[in-house]
Amino acid sequence: DIQMTQSPSSLSASVGDRVTITCRASQTISTYLVWYQQKSGRAPKLLIYAASNLQSGVPSRFSGSGSGSEFTLTISSLQPEDFATYYCQHSYSAPYAFGQGTKLEIK
Amino acid sequence: QVQLLESGPGLVEPSETLSLTCTVPADSISLYYWSWIRQPPGKGLEWIGNTFYTGNINYNPSLKSRVTILVDTSRNHFSLRLSSVTAADTAIYYCASQRRTEGMEYWGQGTLVTVSS
Repeated sequence: DIQMTQSPSSLSASVGDRVTITCRASQTISTYLVWYQQKSGRAPKLLIYAASNLQSGVPSRFSGSGSGSEFTLTISSLQPEDFATYYCQHSYSAPYAFGQGTKLEIK
Repeated sequence: QVQLLESGPGLVEPSETLSLTCTVPADSISLYYWSWIRQPPGKGLEWIGNTFYTGNINYNPSLKSRVTILVDTSRNHFSLRLSSVTAADTAIYYCASQRRTEGMEYWGQGTLVTVSS
């Protein structure tokens, strides 16, 4: 089974900051990588699919990159509504594991 | 927009079977894989398994011995059964649409299932 490891587990940042979250797969997954945002008490929301494709309606300050086994999610200028927990997930083959999550908090 | 509606009991006794259903729009049931995901309180997401309208099913090996996922196209829903539950199975259970490239776009509202006597 493919394991996903995110770093950091938590991150403190300020409004306007640029932040990057990393996700590593235990084996190559091409670009079968998805990013989600989850706010407290809500279902996850799809942000990025196929490693770098922005889901419709998601602000352009969010971007994804990577292929193979290393991927990044970047928020170019943090907004107050971006403070949440972010998860990566591979979609290469079942079981479709998630990373452990990165909690983004206000500094 | 595809709306998913979960239903099922919020309280299950230890050793019993957890059963949840997710109803989807009739015109979408053949378009996606349909997944179950869970999230223990304060913890991360765990993919449980998924099914296609043809009946093809994939399970997480960590739960495979206890999980059954079925799709019923005549009723436009798919279901989750998790047997022999313990307190460790207490979680919010979500249903979601899934495509290999596009990920999980549509999610149910989530159902908190507590395992307790």
